[in-house]
Amino acid sequence: QKEVEQDPGPLSVPEGAIVSLNCTYSNSAFQYFMWYRQYSRKGPELLMYTYSSGNKEDGRFTAQVDKSSKYISLFIRDSQPSDSATYLCAMSEWTSYDKVIFGPGTSLSVIP
Amino acid sequence: GAGVSQSPSNKVTEKGKDVELRCDPISGHTALYWYRQSLGQGLEFLIYFQGNSAPDKSGLPSDRFSAERTGGSVSTLTIQRTQQEDSAVYLCASSSTQTGIEQYFGPGTRLTVT
Repeated sequence: QKEVEQDPGPLSVPEGAIVSLNCTYSNSAFQYFMWYRQYSRKGPELLMYTYSSGNKEDGRFTAQVDKSSKYISLFIRDSQPSDSATYLCAMSEWTSYDKVIFGPGTSLSVIP
Repeated sequence: GAGVSQSPSNKVTEKGKDVELRCDPISGHTALYWYRQSLGQGLEFLIYFQGNSAPDKSGLPSDRFSAERTGGSVSTLTIQRTQQEDSAVYLCASSSTQTGIEQYFGPGTRLTVT
C-alpha cells in the first residue's frame, strides 16, 4: 500500500461546478497537509496547507482534513477553465525536518 | 522576484552517456530538493540539501545518481551512464524553511534517454 493514494482521474466537470478532490493516507503521524496545482509542463505550485484536522478556506478553495479517517479533501467552488490542471496532495510528519510525501495527482478539466 | 530556474529545459541523451541538470533556487532559500516525476506518477523524492549539506539522500535510486550544492545556492544533479528508465521530468524546489512545507518549484528538466 502506498503512503498516499489519490484517484488519478481524469475528472471532467462543467464550468461553475463544485469540484471535490481527495486523498487517503496510511501514516497516522502526518501532521501537515498540502495541496499543489500543476499546469501542463510546469512545476507544481502550492495552493494551501493545513495543520492537523479541520478546514481552511482561501477564496474559492477549501481544504479539509479528517485525521480520524486519514482522508483529506480539496473543494473548488465555481470552477473555472483556468482551474484545469493536475492537483497533487502532499503530507509531512514534520519534526525538525521531514520529507514531504506527494500523491500521484488528479487531472482536472473544467469545460467552458 | 525571480523564481526557481532549471536548465536545460529539455535534454535528449543516448543511453550510457552522463548528464548534468542544474537548479538555481530562490535567493536566500537554504533548503533545496530534487524530485523525479514520471508520466502518471507522483513526485519521487531524490535528495534534500540544507545549505551545502545533504542530510537526506535516501531517494537517490542508485549510485549512478549524485548531487551537489555549492555556495548554498546552485545545485547540480548528475546521472552517470544513463538508462532508459531514467527518462522523466526532474524537478527542483527550494524553501526558506527546514520543514519543507512551502516549497517553490522550478519548471523542471525533461530528460529523454534514447
